[in-house]
Amino acid sequence: ILNVEQSPQSLHVQEGDSTNFTCSFPSSNFYALHWYRWETAKSPEALFVMTLNGDEKKKGRISATLNTKEGYSYLYIKGSQPEDSATYLCAFRPGANNLFFGTGTRLTVIP
Amino acid sequence: DTAVSQTPKYLVTQMGNDKSIKCEQNLGHDTMYWYKQDSKKFLKIMFSYNNKELIINETVPNRFSPKSPDKAHLNLHINSLELGDSAVYFCASSQNAISGNTIYFGEGSWLTVV
Repeated sequence: ILNVEQSPQSLHVQEGDSTNFTCSFPSSNFYALHWYRWETAKSPEALFVMTLNGDEKKKGRISATLNTKEGYSYLYIKGSQPEDSATYLCAFRPGANNLFFGTGTRLTVIP
Repeated sequence: DTAVSQTPKYLVTQMGNDKSIKCEQNLGHDTMYWYKQDSKKFLKIMFSYNNKELIINETVPNRFSPKSPDKAHLNLHINSLELGDSAVYFCASSQNAISGNTIYFGEGSWLTVV
């Protein structure tokens, strides 16, 4: 089992604030890095799949960057809204058929 | 329409019973997975199937047996259920195992063994 760490574990921000969190993973044997948004009792919702060092992806107010050499990815949310409240999971793939999840960052946006 | 659907969503059963969780995807994907969410909230892979063939089995007790009757279905059978099997089980699928492909998850099946 590989170690995938996310920080912080939880985060409270005011509506309108921008925020970011970190996913750290082993820097060897990189295949892909996934980000998911997960609300309780729902399916994890895919946000990004990142495969190349230096990748930057954007979806609305959410963006992500990837550094495979040092083993980290950042997820940014600009102008947080209450509907952004969820747990954000990253998942590291060292190969085609495996996916190791972090424990997530639980974001609460206060109106 | 739900892309990856699992049934049942909730299951409470006694120790020693045999139960199944069904999974279907309507995305035309070649690869399907089963994940278990453990007590620490980690999602851990159990099985990966590609075109109905088992690709990976991650140290799962042989009481757990996946069955893939066709590409769109991957069912999880659990024999002689134990208390420690209580968890949330997630089915997932992807176009194939290529790195850039998104993995889509079902909503999870909450299994409680009493």
